Amino acid sequence: DAGVTQSPTHLIKTRGQHVTLRCSPISGHKSVSWYQQVLGQGPQFIFQYYEKEERGRGNFPDRFSARQFPNYSSELNVNALLLGDSALYLCASSLAGGLAGELFFGEGSRLTVL
Amino acid sequence: GQNIDQPTEMTATEGAIVQINCTYQTSGFNGLFWYQQHAGEAPTFLSYNVLDGLEEKGRFSSFLSRSKGYSYLLLKELQMKDSASYLCAVKRNNRLAFGKGNQVVVIP
Repeated sequence: DAGVTQSPTHLIKTRGQHVTLRCSPISGHKSVSWYQQVLGQGPQFIFQYYEKEERGRGNFPDRFSARQFPNYSSELNVNALLLGDSALYLCASSLAGGLAGELFFGEGSRLTVL
Repeated sequence: GQNIDQPTEMTATEGAIVQINCTYQTSGFNGLFWYQQHAGEAPTFLSYNVLDGLEEKGRFSSFLSRSKGYSYLLLKELQMKDSASYLCAVKRNNRLAFGKGNQVVVIP
């Protein structure tokens, strides 16, 4: 069975540009969460979506937005990129919205902003 | 606040036992996860504690004391492949708050 898949795996952008990252959860999982992991730090929570509705939002500016589609896949959008947005963006899926069990992480999208 | 504290790095010898500690603020606590992350890879699930006590799973064990806001991960019979970052994550309000991770380096 396929795990959580993310695309693209690596990308380079310049300041001021925008980026769209994509995630497909494990089949049957209805909840998707997004995390940002800066080098040397633990992942930081950005968003959680369950059944296409936003269930939680971390301490990130409005430049960050996300959505979940009817097939439970998700996109993370970041506008007006800053150098500090360079990070590994992790998508995680879980069966339910209440995180009753573990999160399954994808391999991440590594964003470099120049 | 989330304040999850972990030591940053430790070195241990192959075959040894290592204990990785994690302390956290208890407000809103609803469970604690341990994840392993190899360099350049995604975190992978190791254990989940929601009640006090020890959970054992093969070479890895995890302990939780909710009243003390304290958990540890015990790695036994260390292998070279155990060299990785070990992340403690507290579940609050349907989200996980991660610590910075503890880098474990296993040497022959």
